[in-house]
Amino acid sequence: NAGVTQTPKFRILKIGQSMTLQCTQDMNHNYMYWYRQDPGMGLKLIYYSVGAGITDKGEVPNGYNVSRSTTEDFPLRLELAAPSQTSVYFCASSYVAGLNYGYTFGSGTRLTVV
Amino acid sequence: GENVEQHPSTLSVQEGDSAVIKCTYSDSASNYFPWYKQELGKRPQLIIDIRSNVGEKKDQRIAVTLNKTAKHFSLHITETQPEDSAVYFCALDGPARQLTFGSGTQLTVLP
Repeated sequence: NAGVTQTPKFRILKIGQSMTLQCTQDMNHNYMYWYRQDPGMGLKLIYYSVGAGITDKGEVPNGYNVSRSTTEDFPLRLELAAPSQTSVYFCASSYVAGLNYGYTFGSGTRLTVV
Repeated sequence: GENVEQHPSTLSVQEGDSAVIKCTYSDSASNYFPWYKQELGKRPQLIIDIRSNVGEKKDQRIAVTLNKTAKHFSLHITETQPEDSAVYFCALDGPARQLTFGSGTQLTVLP
């Protein structure tokens, strides 16, 4: 049981390049999320998904796109990378069972745009 | 969207003393209030959580209190130890279980 797996762990991009951050979970969780964390700050929600085929914008969606074609995968796409997108990106998933649910975070992707 | 204010931003305590971190929020629809500990370069780690139908929850040296009327919740760490030094984040949930995080508190426990 690997939990939430993010790849890559580190990446350096040049301004204007594009990339996809991968996120996979093997817990059959319906809910998945992408957060970014700037230095010294809390996590901010970029996009989230409540199930396969359904995605919604979070607090800071500009410059990003997501897709959710399967329950397991929730990739985050950066088009035309900008220095403002330098951050640590965390993917997470959660389950819902009545009033209980649990959150699992991936280990993060540290992205630098130069 | 939801707004969460967390105070203080930094907190230094002597080993063995208590530490208290407070968060206030504006959306009364939230029902889940977790606290996370994050060490440098690591992912956030859940340390305790509380639901809206409970006023207080304790787990060994860590406790959380919730006042839904006043819209604030607090983390209490007693008998602090050097390994408690980290950044602590409060959070609360939205309708799709998405979390809104506070800005964090850097806790330093001085030996």
